[in-house]
Amino acid sequence: DAGITQSPRHKVTETGTPVTLRCHQTENHRYMYWYRQDPGHGLRLIHYSYGVKDTDKGEVSDGYSVSRSKTEDFLLTLESATSSQTSVYFCAIRLGGGLEQFFGPGTRLTVL
Amino acid sequence: DAKTTQPPSMDCAEGRAANLPCNHSTISGNEYVYWYRQIHSQGPQYIIHGLKNNETNEMASLIITEDRKSSTLILPHATLRDTAVYYCIVRAPEGGSQGNLIFGKGTKLSVKP
Repeated sequence: DAGITQSPRHKVTETGTPVTLRCHQTENHRYMYWYRQDPGHGLRLIHYSYGVKDTDKGEVSDGYSVSRSKTEDFLLTLESATSSQTSVYFCAIRLGGGLEQFFGPGTRLTVL
Repeated sequence: DAKTTQPPSMDCAEGRAANLPCNHSTISGNEYVYWYRQIHSQGPQYIIHGLKNNETNEMASLIITEDRKSSTLILPHATLRDTAVYYCIVRAPEGGSQGNLIFGKGTKLSVKP
């Protein structure tokens, strides 16, 4: 199995504070993704990366930024958290050239 | 991307085969059928994928009709741990420039003792 961890696993924060979520992979996969999952919406793509320093926006990127300075780490930052960003965040890596993806365990973020 | 239709929920008795249908009548020639599942509070898990031939792996079998307009995921001997939401995704292999997955609402499979 591809090794992928997310940290923190749970976080409670207040509106207006910055938050950074980390996704770490132990293998050299090029593509990494950040999704959020909300009731009634399923999983939606926030940002993705196709290499070191190569990132692009997804469907719901407003209010989020990402960085990838090393192959193994993909960071998701909420510059100023809002209650609408309360969600479960999943990181994923793409295995090979198809659409087989391996997901991390998720981070549950609550913004009060 | 082809639109998929799945029943919102299904029940299955433990030890029996679970057959989960998916309709994708607008599928294009280069689009694959992927199946994922999500067990409560966990990340989605890849199960299997196929283009037009039936496929089998250690988790499941995928049966695709000859006209490719529908498919069935088969869990041959369902266990309680197979209780999850199952997603059928139809997408070209490169997934567009992003290569991301697009999840619909899926089928909630409940395996009962």
